[in-house]
Amino acid sequence: DGGITQSPKYLFRKEGQNVTLSCEQNLNHDAMYWYRQDPGQGLRLIYYSQIVNDFQKGDIAEGYSVSREKKESFPLTVTSAQKNPTAFYLCATRTGNGYTFGSGTRLTVV
Amino acid sequence: GNSVTQMEGPVTLSEEAFLTINCTYTATGYPSLFWYVQYPGEGLQLLLKATKADDKGSNKGFEATYRKETTSFHLEKGSVQVSDSAVYFCALSGGARIQGAQKLVFGQGTRLTINP
Repeated sequence: DGGITQSPKYLFRKEGQNVTLSCEQNLNHDAMYWYRQDPGQGLRLIYYSQIVNDFQKGDIAEGYSVSREKKESFPLTVTSAQKNPTAFYLCATRTGNGYTFGSGTRLTVV
Repeated sequence: GNSVTQMEGPVTLSEEAFLTINCTYTATGYPSLFWYVQYPGEGLQLLLKATKADDKGSNKGFEATYRKETTSFHLEKGSVQVSDSAVYFCALSGGARIQGAQKLVFGQGTRLTINP
């Protein structure tokens, strides 16, 4: 079955450490997105990519980085510069007007 | 820029009650409108969508009509069930294209709890 795989489901990070969240898709969709979800604030766009080797900052890109070396993969790195990284992170793909979401990664800073 | 405003939650109803969750939007052009549902600990699932004015999206007993004159896309269900308990997000995409990319813009979400 086609879909999006986000891993891990739960991730714990010590302060000052970088951590990478994985997003893999087998839908053959060109566009991929990373959203951050905080309670009561909906989803906010971090980064997006329309094609391989290209990506753009979203509304809250500071403290995050991404790469898009393959069509199937769009990993998100949460760097030590992100001051409040504890959140639920969702990856999505788009084809035409249809968006598909992964099941998310919950990141907690300890 | 584009934005979406949802009624604040949480919303608590009894089983078989009528549900309305209000959603209004601000956008240039003619965006597509969506309702997504999120169950605890999971990602988002598309509930319904509408791509042009006066379109009605429907799924699983839920309905929403794209009203351009009032810039609204209110979600309704005639008789809710306990299994409808979840967080509901209104969202829009498209309209005026920004840097050639379509981005999904979300409301803040409304938590719905249905009591038996």
